[in-house]
Amino acid sequence: DAKTTQPTSMDCAEGRAANLPCNHSTISGNEYVYWYRQIHSQGPQYIIHGLKNNETNEMASLIITEDRKSSTLILPHATLRDTAVYYCIVKGMAGKSTFGDGTTLTVKP
Amino acid sequence: DTEVTQTPKHLVMGMTNKKSLKCEQHMGHRAMYWYKQKAKKPPELMFVYSYEKLSINESVPSRFSPECPNSSLLNLHLHALQPEDSALYLCASSQEIGGTYEQYFGPGTRLTVT
Repeated sequence: DAKTTQPTSMDCAEGRAANLPCNHSTISGNEYVYWYRQIHSQGPQYIIHGLKNNETNEMASLIITEDRKSSTLILPHATLRDTAVYYCIVKGMAGKSTFGDGTTLTVKP
Repeated sequence: DTEVTQTPKHLVMGMTNKKSLKCEQHMGHRAMYWYKQKAKKPPELMFVYSYEKLSINESVPSRFSPECPNSSLLNLHLHALQPEDSALYLCASSQEIGGTYEQYFGPGTRLTVT
């Protein structure tokens, strides 16, 4: 499975959009991009996944570049409860989910 | 019901003890996973079961012994652990091992080896 690179940490003001980037330049054609988050001392929580089209659900939007080498997770109106470590994972149809180091997002009042 | 439960929440054990961690899901998922997470690090995959058979073992030491007695239950048997095995142990499940199914994680068992 391809490796991902994310910034170590980011801050976001409450109520503003949080844009979390992920680089996955070695992604293969059949590999999906997944996002999970882990709030302190809890198990990771699935957020969203996509292949090449942009995706949106009730939690977030996922924007994948046309060359699929990078993606951005967007939390449209961040709240204090969105403070967490966000993991971007690239996974093939038969592959394992290998977590990278993730981005610690701190939402500030 | 989209919940994965893990027991116990906390466990302290000596290096000569034998203990077991338990994980349960009732979502009809056929893939179940054990991860180990050290402080301030991402989860690391240990084992994957698919249809109650061990599918992936990430070269985990034999002092960790997984067991999947049925499709809803996953155990991790611990014996002769070392202090460096202290970590958060996470269980997860997904509908299948392949495909695009997301994983559902339990809250974890925080293990301390003394």
